[in-house]
Amino acid sequence: DTGVSQDPRHKITKRGQNVTFRCDPISEHNRLYWYRQTLGQGPEFLTYFQNEAQLEKSRLLSDRFSAERPKGSFSTLEIQRTEQGDSAMYLCASSFRGAASTDTQYFGPGTRLTVL
Amino acid sequence: QKEVEQDPGPLSVPEGAIVSLNCTYSNSAFQYFMWYRQYSRKGPELLMYTYSSGNKEDGRFTAQVDKSSKYISLFIRDSQPSDSATYLCAHGRGNQGGKLIFGQGTELSVKP
Repeated sequence: DTGVSQDPRHKITKRGQNVTFRCDPISEHNRLYWYRQTLGQGPEFLTYFQNEAQLEKSRLLSDRFSAERPKGSFSTLEIQRTEQGDSAMYLCASSFRGAASTDTQYFGPGTRLTVL
Repeated sequence: QKEVEQDPGPLSVPEGAIVSLNCTYSNSAFQYFMWYRQYSRKGPELLMYTYSSGNKEDGRFTAQVDKSSKYISLFIRDSQPSDSATYLCAHGRGNQGGKLIFGQGTELSVKP
């Protein structure tokens, strides 16, 4: 399977715990995006990277959220001191952005987080 | 006002019907438009991508963009039960790519 992969697929945690999610993009895609989706809503942008550089971060992203892409390949999203409002599907997408490419984003299956 | 408005449905149609799904947007900076299909508890799957006003066809799917009215549509011909899913419109700004702004999604059910 050469698509975007995410791990874990499901995570149940207690309020106040830290969680970390991993995303592996499509090989050779230089851009990686994180979105959050709650029930009945469309995905909401969180942040994105081009190679190792974090190019944009949503103003909605609190200081409890941090994302990294240290080698320009996989990325991790960490949520510290989880709250019940963090319960959502966390989606990763990747794209190839070059001079003539269209930055089409391909999504992974998501990580469903439940905070008790 | 949300940047992208989409009727959440649910929309129920009989098999074989033509389905019309619509989005409106408020930001003239949007330059490219996408439709994604999302099955329950799965990630969104790209269906259509377009930059310009006009129609783009791919099999049973036609995407229509009217930039002057800030209105986009997705038509599904000969709908099948396997088309039952949530359809998300998404918009991007500028030619540098970057984040997508999604509509709420329309839930479609095609009855056999």
